[in-house]
Amino acid sequence: GAVVSQHPSRVICKSGTSVKIECRSLDFQATTMFWYRQFPKQSLMLMATSNEGSKATYEQGVEKDKFLINHASLTLSTLTVTSAHPEDSSFYICSARVEGQGRYEQYFGPGTRLTVT
Amino acid sequence: GDSVVQTEGQVLPSEGDSLIVNCSYETTQYPSLFWYVQYPGEGPQLHLKAMKANDKGRNKGFEAMYRKETTSFHLEKDSVQESDSAVYFCAPSNQAGTALIFGKGTTLSVSS
Repeated sequence: GAVVSQHPSRVICKSGTSVKIECRSLDFQATTMFWYRQFPKQSLMLMATSNEGSKATYEQGVEKDKFLINHASLTLSTLTVTSAHPEDSSFYICSARVEGQGRYEQYFGPGTRLTVT
Repeated sequence: GDSVVQTEGQVLPSEGDSLIVNCSYETTQYPSLFWYVQYPGEGPQLHLKAMKANDKGRNKGFEAMYRKETTSFHLEKDSVQESDSAVYFCAPSNQAGTALIFGKGTTLSVSS
């Protein structure tokens, strides 16, 4: 149980274009999902918290107009990188929180490798 | 703000060696404690957890004790194997379940 998927796993796009990444909880409902980015050999950096049916909460320094997050259902959150630039190239990982009965575990997707040329 | 410090960089034991990876946390609220493991090119996987003081998380021969008095959650194993090689992250989360706070990660490279 508690499986999270991401799509696509890899994407290459040209500078100036937009890319959408999907995060799905496959066998549970998630009111809250999180988006992280990870640079090579570094830790995960929280970008934003995505709440179903409401606006995302962004961490300090993360541009909300550049990284658009939509959490339209209890099993799907999307991250859209708008007007991508080479410095946006990174490994993007989502997680979904299992809730209820005192559990607050987070399960992570397999990640999406974004390369902007 | 909340923070976590763990053994940094690489740890290079040989197969059969014992292992301790240190983790110390500082949180404003009473946290749940997690260790995640990440293999190359993949997302982190939940490795073990402890929800309250004196709980011990266990998985695949690894253990970690939730020590409230020293605010620590050290990861231990009596005898590591080459297949244990991965990056390990210590991650506290407050009881309200906000986002995990990740340590910088410890790369475990076990030689045969």
